[in-house]
Amino acid sequence: DAGVTQSPTHLIKTRGQQVTLRCSPKSGHDTVSWYQQALGQGPQFIFQYYEEEERQRGNFPDRFSGHQFPNYSSELNVNALLLGDSALYLCASSSGTGGLIYNEQFFGPGTRLTVL
Amino acid sequence: GNSVTQMEGPVTLSEEAFLTINCTYTATGYPSLFWYVQYPGEGLQLLLKATKADDKGSNKGFEATYRKETTSFHLEKGSVQVSDSAVYFCALGGSQGNLIFGKGTKLSVKP
Repeated sequence: DAGVTQSPTHLIKTRGQQVTLRCSPKSGHDTVSWYQQALGQGPQFIFQYYEEEERQRGNFPDRFSGHQFPNYSSELNVNALLLGDSALYLCASSSGTGGLIYNEQFFGPGTRLTVL
Repeated sequence: GNSVTQMEGPVTLSEEAFLTINCTYTATGYPSLFWYVQYPGEGLQLLLKATKADDKGSNKGFEATYRKETTSFHLEKGSVQVSDSAVYFCALGGSQGNLIFGKGTKLSVKP
């Protein structure tokens, strides 16, 4: 079992550019959540995808968007990058929507985004 | 809204010392509570969880008890090892199906 995988590992972009990050969930999982972890902080929830639709969203601007594919993999897109978008972006997978009251989320290793 | 507060770090201990990392929460209802660990350069790993009041989660010598009366979920270990050096995050299951994390506590264990 490969677990949750993310690509790329590291990425460097300049202000104003756009970026796409990718995530493949753990086998058997159908729900993908994305988090932003700034340096020295805890992860902050961006949004969650289930059945190819955005089901829940945290307090992030519309510059952050995503997509889920029929194979449950997911992309996170960030437009018009700002310096403050520099962070570790974590993908987590789980089974079912709203089931996180009991279900564990499995995290990938993250993508480190640096905006210059 | 729901939130998690955990003790500020860093925490530095000698090997075999007793560890406590405090975590308190504010939430409506009765969320599940979690401790995650992040080793250097890695993603988050679930360390333990508790789904209802008075539940005790345990794993790898770590324990935490879900205390509704004090809204706490403190992490403890009787004897830490150098390999336990990491950042520890307390989290609660949010009503949106997300996890709400504390800011993390960095633990360094010296031989």
